[in-house]
Amino acid sequence: QQPVQSPQAVILREGEDAVINCSSSKALYSVHWYRQKHGEAPVFLMILLKGGEQKGHEKISASFNEKKQQSSLYLTASQLSYSGTYFCGTDGSQGNLIFGKGTKLSVKP
Amino acid sequence: KAGVTQTPRYLIKTRGQQVTLSCSPISGHRSVSWYQQTPGQGLQFLFEYFSETQRNKGNFPGRFSGRQFSNSRSEMNVSTLELGDSALYLCASSLGGQGRDEQFFGPGTRLTVL
Repeated sequence: QQPVQSPQAVILREGEDAVINCSSSKALYSVHWYRQKHGEAPVFLMILLKGGEQKGHEKISASFNEKKQQSSLYLTASQLSYSGTYFCGTDGSQGNLIFGKGTKLSVKP
Repeated sequence: KAGVTQTPRYLIKTRGQQVTLSCSPISGHRSVSWYQQTPGQGLQFLFEYFSETQRNKGNFPGRFSGRQFSNSRSEMNVSTLELGDSALYLCASSLGGQGRDEQFFGPGTRLTVL
C-alpha cells in the first residue's frame, strides 16, 4: 500500500526548517527518502532500517518510528538547493519499494 | 563510475503502437527497477529484475513487460499504447535489491502517446 506523505507542499524562506512526514498502514522494514528536482531524476538521500541503522549521503536527518510505521525527514536551515519534490519509499509486500506521492518543497530567498 | 543511462530520452508514439525502452545500469549493479511517473501520482512501480529474472511486479496490465540481459541491461516494452501511458519512465539500478540498497535513477524516457 502506498505510504502517505504530508504535507503535500510547503514553502519556506532560506534558513527556515521543515519536516516532511511519511506514514504507512503496514509494518515496515525500511524507509527510503529521495529528492527530485524539476526535470531531473530522483536522487537518494537516506535509508532508515528497522533496528535503527541509517545510511545516507547528505547532512539530512530523519527518524523512523517502527511502532507507528512512520518516518520524518528534517530539513534544517534550508537552502535554495533544497527545493524539489521529496519522496518516501517503503518496502512493499514483495520486497519492492512503494513510493508516496511526494512533497513539493519550495525554498525562497 | 558511469551513471544509469536510458534511451531514448524522448519518444512520441500513436495509440496502438508499441514501444521499447532501454536502461543500462551502473556497472556491477544486478537489480534494475522500472517506474512510471505521472503528475500527482508519484513513482508507480512497474517491475524489478535481478540477474535476468523478474523478481517483483507492480499492478500494471500485461501490456507492460520487461526483460533483463546477462549484462544487467534491461528493456521495457509497452504494447498497444494508450493515451494514459504518456508518462516519464524511470529505471533505477541497485546492487542487490530495492528494499535494502539505495537506488540510482536514470534520467528517464519521456513517452508521449498521441
